[in-house]
Amino acid sequence: AQSVTQLDSQVPVFEEAPVELRCNYSSSVSVYLFWYVQYPNQGLQLLLKYLSGSTLVESINGFEAEFNKSQTSFHLRKPSVHISDTAEYFCAVRQQGGATNKLIFGTGTLLAVQP
Amino acid sequence: ETGVTQSPTHLIKTRGQQVTLRCSSQSGHNTVSWYQQALGQGPQFIFQYYREEENGRGNFPPRFSGLQFPNYSSELNVNALELDDSALYLCASSRQDSPLHFGNGTRLTVT
Repeated sequence: AQSVTQLDSQVPVFEEAPVELRCNYSSSVSVYLFWYVQYPNQGLQLLLKYLSGSTLVESINGFEAEFNKSQTSFHLRKPSVHISDTAEYFCAVRQQGGATNKLIFGTGTLLAVQP
Repeated sequence: ETGVTQSPTHLIKTRGQQVTLRCSSQSGHNTVSWYQQALGQGPQFIFQYYREEENGRGNFPPRFSGLQFPNYSSELNVNALELDDSALYLCASSRQDSPLHFGNGTRLTVT
C-alpha cells in the first residue's frame, strides 16, 4: 500500500519570496509522483509529474520538484512566488505498472501568498 | 480540445435519497475515475472504469456505483445518501497509463 504525507497544512509566504512545500511518500513498490494544484471552487490541475529519467522536473510557471528516492520525498519549490500562486497543492503517488491509474493523495498544503 | 466536464456543479439532497452525477471525458481518453474530496481533505479514489467495465475500486460501500458509456462519458450513482457523503466529487479521465485530467467537480450537500 502507498501513502503520502504533506507535513504542512498551510504555508504563509510573502510575495517574491521562495517557498518549499514538502511531500514524503511510503510505498513498497515503485511509484510515479505528481503535484496537482487546486484553486478555489475548481478541480485539480496537473502541475508537474515524475515518471522516469531526470529526478528534477519543472513546470511552465516556475515550479520545480525533485524526486529523492533515498528520502522518499518529492518536495515542490519555487524561487519567487506571486499572489496568483495562492492555492491548495496536493502531492500524489501512483503505483507503476498497476492495474489502474489510481492516485493516492496527501491532505494538501494551502500556499497563502501575502503582498 | 474539450476538457473534462461535470454536471451539475452543485446539488442539495436529503438523507436517504439517491443521486446521479455525470461526467464527460476529455476527447481521446478511454479511462474515467471518480474521487471524493471531503472538506479539508485530499481526494479519495472511489473507482475507475475502462472500456465500460469497473477495473478498480477504493474503500467505498456498494451503494456507490457507476457506469461508463461507449462514448467514454460516465455516471456516479450514490444510493441511500448519508450526511457524510457531503463532499466535492471529482471525475478524472485519461488514456491508459497517462496522467489524470480532472473536471471542476460537483459539490454535493446532504441535509
